Amino acid sequence: GAVVSQHPSRVICKSGTSVKIECRSLDFQATTMFWYRQFPKQSLMLMATSNEGSKATYEQGVEKDKFLINHASLTLSTLTVASAHPEDSSFYICSARLALADTQYFGPGTRLTVL
Amino acid sequence: AQSVAQPEDQVNVAEGNPLTVKCTYSVSGNPYLFWYVQYPNRGLQFLLKYITGDNLVKGSYGFEAEFNKSQTSFHLKKPSALVSDSALYFCAVRDLDRGSTLGRLYFGRGTQLTVWP
Repeated sequence: GAVVSQHPSRVICKSGTSVKIECRSLDFQATTMFWYRQFPKQSLMLMATSNEGSKATYEQGVEKDKFLINHASLTLSTLTVASAHPEDSSFYICSARLALADTQYFGPGTRLTVL
Repeated sequence: AQSVAQPEDQVNVAEGNPLTVKCTYSVSGNPYLFWYVQYPNRGLQFLLKYITGDNLVKGSYGFEAEFNKSQTSFHLKKPSALVSDSALYFCAVRDLDRGSTLGRLYFGRGTQLTVWP
């Protein structure tokens, strides 16, 4: 149980295009999902927290107009990188948590490369 | 505010030897502590957690961690390391503050474990 998937696993795009990443909880309902960004050999940086049916809460320094998060259902959250640029290239990881549960379960990550 | 520290960037150990990956924490209130493992180009896998109860917590793949309140530590241990244990290990503490970020995790910077044959 507690499986989280991400799609796509890898994406390469040209500068200026928008990229959508999906995060799904496959066998449980996730009231809260988190989006992280990880640079090589570094820890995870929390970008935003999203609760189903409400607006995401962004961490300081994260541009909400750049990184659009939608959590429309209890099993799906999407992160859209708007007008991506090379500096947005990174490993993006989502996690999901049951209501009142203690543990976050992580997706396998999405490697974004912007040329 | 909650925080964790992993004082070692790298831990090297021979296969079959015991391993320890260190973690100390700073929290206001009772800590919720977690260990996760990350293999290259993959997401994080949950290993174990401490919420309450026994100080020695057993988790996946033969790992265990000992909660020490007086030393504010939560070190990850395994009696006999395997080459396949080589990975990046993260300690994390959960935010217990109210608000929309309820449940967010604060991660340490990670410790790269290398087990050589």
